[in-house]
Amino acid sequence: DVKVTQSSRYLVKRTGEKVFLECVQDMDHENMFWYRQDPGLGLRLIYFSYDVKMKEKGDIPEGYSVSREKKERFSLILESASTNQTSMYLCASIVETEAFFGQGTRLTVV
Amino acid sequence: DQQVKQNSPSLSVQEGRISILNCDYTNSMFDYFLWYKKYPAEGPTFLISISSIKDKNEDGRFTVFLNKSAKHLSLHIVPSQPGDSAVYFCAAIRRREGTYKYIFGTGTRLKVLA
Repeated sequence: DVKVTQSSRYLVKRTGEKVFLECVQDMDHENMFWYRQDPGLGLRLIYFSYDVKMKEKGDIPEGYSVSREKKERFSLILESASTNQTSMYLCASIVETEAFFGQGTRLTVV
Repeated sequence: DQQVKQNSPSLSVQEGRISILNCDYTNSMFDYFLWYKKYPAEGPTFLISISSIKDKNEDGRFTVFLNKSAKHLSLHIVPSQPGDSAVYFCAAIRRREGTYKYIFGTGTRLKVLA
């Protein structure tokens, strides 16, 4: 079974803080994605990576950056957290056409 | 610009009846379409997929239909069970430069009433 693990289930951060969301997969997949889920907006793609040190912007990259130093780990960084980044964040590892998701991180920015 | 749309935010169905979830897309270049199911506080899980060269794929109680001329796909669940209550996302994949770009719809919350 593919396992995708996100480091935290729930996080509360203050406005202006730098926030790191970590995602680790155990199946040597090349493709990894970060999404955020908001009511009525579905899953929106923030960034994705198709190889180590490779990254590409998704549909809503503003206010975020990513890091992929090792194949198994894909980090999402909120450079200066704002209240409109309060959301559910989902990491996915993708092989061929199937996406395997982590359990999600519910981030609240106060 | 929403390339994949699910126009019904919610749907209620009686247990044992058919659930039909719909999805429309705008880009004819998509290669695959998939459905994912999501329970609260969990990540989405894969349900069923269909290649753009097919018009139907069936897996147990789940059938996905693809109408390319209408740019429309649907998921049929027969018979519906209370455990099917979840949010369902359709997704479309476009293959580009050796990788897959995944685009999700807005989701439909299905409630199956016992």
